[in-house]
Amino acid sequence: EVQLLESGGGLVQPGGSLRLSCEASGFTFSNYAINWVRQAPGKGLEWVSGISNDGDSTYYADSVKGRFTISRDNSKNTLHLQMNSLRAEDTAVYYCAKDVLKGGPNWFDSWGQGTLVTVFS
Amino acid sequence: DIQMTQSPSSLSASVGDRVTITCRASQSISSYLNWYQQKPGKAPKLLIYVASNLQSGVPSRFSGSGSGTDFALTISSLQPEDFATYYCQQSYNTPRTFGQGTKVEIK
Repeated sequence: EVQLLESGGGLVQPGGSLRLSCEASGFTFSNYAINWVRQAPGKGLEWVSGISNDGDSTYYADSVKGRFTISRDNSKNTLHLQMNSLRAEDTAVYYCAKDVLKGGPNWFDSWGQGTLVTVFS
Repeated sequence: DIQMTQSPSSLSASVGDRVTITCRASQSISSYLNWYQQKPGKAPKLLIYVASNLQSGVPSRFSGSGSGTDFALTISSLQPEDFATYYCQQSYNTPRTFGQGTKVEIK
């Protein structure tokens, strides 16, 4: 059974930083691209970032480009999202989402339960 | 960026009803359209990929259709567990974008 477990969310002031992690199990992690998708309170889904299976290719939404960095450690089956220069509009539940292919992003067949990031002043 | 527009934004329906949700892309996306279901407090779940392919384990009452710019998700006979919010998502180019969601409520 595929499992994705996010961690690292919390409260942070504007301009601050957080590092999210996603620990994967139940599938061959190094064979798939992985993504971050967020959902602001009461709002819809927004794709944030994706990384290819080998980590060589990364993709970002314009809203986070230059502030967020996605990375992965295939030896530890773990995905990370380093979030810097956080803004109030980054407040959301952040989901880790497994891609269906190696490259990516494509569509997402398994999701974690999410971790809440709250940026407040 | 490709804009995805769903309609309606919400609907009320009864158990057993046939329900159709539409999704329109701001430019042609071929068949690269996917549908997700999300229940309150839960992560989204993949229902349909590449317009009309049913994800493993999803009941056959769900179906998808369309190509180019216009797509539809149909639930042939609404069940109690289907009351949720549904999102379309294009995987034609980056950034991947979602529709705003359609909330299906109990009449």
